[in-house]
Amino acid sequence: AQKITQTQPGMFVQEKEAVTLDCTYDTSDPSYGLFWYKQPSSGEMIFLIYQGSYDQQNATEGRYSLNFQKARKSANLVISASQLGDSAMYFCAMSTGTASKLTFGTGTRLQVTL
Amino acid sequence: GAVVSQHPSRVICKSGTSVKIECRSLDFQATTMFWYRQFPKQSLMLMATSNEGSKATYEQGVEKDKFLINHASLTLSTLTVTSAHPEDSSFYICSAQYWGQTDTQYFGPGTRLTVL
Repeated sequence: AQKITQTQPGMFVQEKEAVTLDCTYDTSDPSYGLFWYKQPSSGEMIFLIYQGSYDQQNATEGRYSLNFQKARKSANLVISASQLGDSAMYFCAMSTGTASKLTFGTGTRLQVTL
Repeated sequence: GAVVSQHPSRVICKSGTSVKIECRSLDFQATTMFWYRQFPKQSLMLMATSNEGSKATYEQGVEKDKFLINHASLTLSTLTVTSAHPEDSSFYICSAQYWGQTDTQYFGPGTRLTVL
């Protein structure tokens, strides 16, 4: 069975600072994908970044980067230069093998302060 | 690209009535769409996987006769909540899978259902 663990229910960060949101995963499948989504108060789920299990390099998308440590089974999201608009709920998710289903973590609520 | 729309965004209905929610992929074809339910302050719970032209696959514990899913075309899937009751009140969100390099799911904006 697949499992995603997000141990930080809430995080605060000052504007312009960097913040790391933790995510650990568990799966016995050697082929998997890791995703991060942002959910603002409006409710929509916004895709941020993807990391494949066979990718050698850490994924980056603008201010978002994924710190992928395969041996530790962690896939932390790093947001650089935080902005007020980054305040939202962030979900880590995983898909495995040929299955398309996503398993989500419980989420981390990020609050960016002035 | 990879835009998914969902309609309606909010719906209030009386107990016992049925409600249909539409999910459309606007700029890509999606052979697979997913329906999720989210309770307040909780994560997303997968309800079913919808494949174009075939029957949906429901997750354990989800009543297929209550939550009817139809995926009639490559850009449209519908979820019908039949004989809705107050306990069905929730945030329903769909996603469409974009079969590119990463098979990423792109989500619609969600539908808030309130059953009185």
